[in-house]
Amino acid sequence: ETGVTQTPRHLVMGMTNKKSLKCEQHLGHNAMYWYKQSAKKPLELMFVYNFKEQTENNSVPSRFSPECPNSSHLFLHLHTLQPEDSALYLCASSQGRENTGELFFGEGSRLTVL
Amino acid sequence: GQNIDQPTEMTATEGAIVQINCTYQTSGFNGLFWYQQHAGEAPTFLSYNVLDGLEEKGRFSSFLSRSKGYSYLLLKELQMKDSASYLCAVDDYKLSFGAGTTVTVRA
Repeated sequence: ETGVTQTPRHLVMGMTNKKSLKCEQHLGHNAMYWYKQSAKKPLELMFVYNFKEQTENNSVPSRFSPECPNSSHLFLHLHTLQPEDSALYLCASSQGRENTGELFFGEGSRLTVL
Repeated sequence: GQNIDQPTEMTATEGAIVQINCTYQTSGFNGLFWYQQHAGEAPTFLSYNVLDGLEEKGRFSSFLSRSKGYSYLLLKELQMKDSASYLCAVDDYKLSFGAGTTVTVRA
């Protein structure tokens, strides 16, 4: 138990569906992150929120839309995805920035796009 | 951009020692992390180095040479539960990860 909870753990969707991934952290952190993990590839940073403000968008396609309503919750809205978007999506949190600091990861949402 | 290299796979015997190397070329440097990730689980923090030298934590040690852009993670007295992927990550005001090294421990 890392203090970061992600739901759903598994998601299968068609290319025309709209779905959302949810992340909640119970650590009192101020920074939250979305990472994409594909087999045999480095973790790819997608988005960073610091104190609810988006501070990083790593050239992510607009079919991925993040939302951070407060410091404890982070969403990733998915729309018109492609099969190559199938991956493990990891949420993480940290104290907040001066330095990245230690990241605390959720267990991930395994996404399959048909 | 960031370039972080580590071997893809390593295999070792229970009780042995394994050293996982990581080399990096980044535009900035604010520290280097090692994470462990068991299959189907979240990555978890193992170590952090910001100054040159060796940090020891039980059976695990991590070394950093900033001038060489080099780090290693040393796993001693290997146990079966150490079979996992080990991720090297460099803090350049955002954390950039290597592709991970899958370590398999054999009996």
